[in-house]
Amino acid sequence: AQSVTQLGSHVSVSEGALVLLRCNYSSSVPPYLFWYVQYPNQGLQLLLKYTTGATLVKGINGFEAEFKKSETSFHLTKPSAHMSDAAEYFCAVSSPGSASKIIFGSGTRLSIRP
Amino acid sequence: KAGVTQTPRYLIKTRGQQVTLSCSPISGHRSVSWYQQTPGQGLQFLFEYFSETQRNKGNFPGRFSGRQFSNSRSEMNVSTLELGDSALYLCASSLNEGAGQPQHFGDGTRLSIL
Repeated sequence: AQSVTQLGSHVSVSEGALVLLRCNYSSSVPPYLFWYVQYPNQGLQLLLKYTTGATLVKGINGFEAEFKKSETSFHLTKPSAHMSDAAEYFCAVSSPGSASKIIFGSGTRLSIRP
Repeated sequence: KAGVTQTPRYLIKTRGQQVTLSCSPISGHRSVSWYQQTPGQGLQFLFEYFSETQRNKGNFPGRFSGRQFSNSRSEMNVSTLELGDSALYLCASSLNEGAGQPQHFGDGTRLSIL
């Protein structure tokens, strides 16, 4: 069975500071990994995904994530936070053979301090 | 290109009633998935449809059902509504089925049960 654990339900950083949102996964087969962002009263928007190949994945809005198999992690980072980054972030996992079923983490709410 | 459209955006029902939610995927997308989002349980997979066939199903009671039409539009139905069914219901479409396919989400239907 697959699962995703997001460490920290709420993260607060200052504008211009590094953003680090942590995600660990569990999967018996090589996983597909995703990060989604959700703004208030909206659906989810894909930030980036890892399927195969390069383990450092770049996404939209300056975000990137690194797949580390040995640590079963897929942490999301952004070098410099912007006020517009304030939102809820979800890490998710799926695997070949699971059709399009995606297992989501519980989410991390990111706040940006001026 | 129009995104995923969900109707209605807001819905208020009473216990025991039934409800039908609609989802129009991005043009050309053939896979539609449904998710329930609540503060307590987070994002949970309901089911996925591809070519009018249910491909995958989450752990929800039989009161939750869905279907997909030949034009890929999808509906989900919840019968005998319970207070715990109050949630944001999200629809996501992807070009094809398959675990690595990025999913594009609609803004959801917020269902409130009184």
